[in-house]
Amino acid sequence: GAGVSQSPSNKVTEKGKDVELRCDPISGHTALYWYRQSLGQGLEFLIYFQGNSAPDKSGLPSDRFSAERTGGSVSTLTIQRTQQEDSAVYLCASSPARGLYGYTFGSGTRLTVV
Amino acid sequence: AQKITQTQPGMFVQEKEAVTLDCTYDTSDQSYGLFWYKQPSSGEMIFLIYQGSYDEQNATEGRYSLNFQKARKSANLVISASQLGDSAMYFCAMREGLEKSDGGSQGNLIFGKGTKLSVKP
Repeated sequence: GAGVSQSPSNKVTEKGKDVELRCDPISGHTALYWYRQSLGQGLEFLIYFQGNSAPDKSGLPSDRFSAERTGGSVSTLTIQRTQQEDSAVYLCASSPARGLYGYTFGSGTRLTVV
Repeated sequence: AQKITQTQPGMFVQEKEAVTLDCTYDTSDQSYGLFWYKQPSSGEMIFLIYQGSYDEQNATEGRYSLNFQKARKSANLVISASQLGDSAMYFCAMREGLEKSDGGSQGNLIFGKGTKLSVKP
């Protein structure tokens, strides 16, 4: 596609439920990143996929968070047993292997845990 | 310690004036990249400008320039001739590790907390 697509754009869930957030990167981009932005804050790195390499999971805040990337394209971020502090905007970005200075971000998924 | 520090939570500038948004960074790497992003109220993140640590020239992109002072570890964004549409959050970010001269490196970006810029008519 023309840009990074994220779905859903908004998600309201009850505390304790699991949620899945989807990211469809720009076609041909080998790297994919997930970030979290809490209200009025900067972006917090969560996880990074690069091609077929093992993902960098160093930013995941707890074992309730996991992500996968199937076929080197679409990625799903899963949050199990959601807590109110998980409420944030989850942003996905992608980049090609070389020659790009900046990353292209999606519009984000606004997650609200009630 | 914070890797990226933006000391100005909010800034005001008169339309058509220039404004400088501060950013300092902390890294022990010899090679790194510095980025500025704009986030309007719509929430999208818009890439503005990039500076590689290897590059002695300050980066420029249209009305944006990056005042890179390596010894002071600062990477301030200068916006010239401010426009009403420049009102947004601005984030400074750093990518550590081996930075290639064509900017084609990858790796997670570390973001500052942002500066909210308001342009007054």
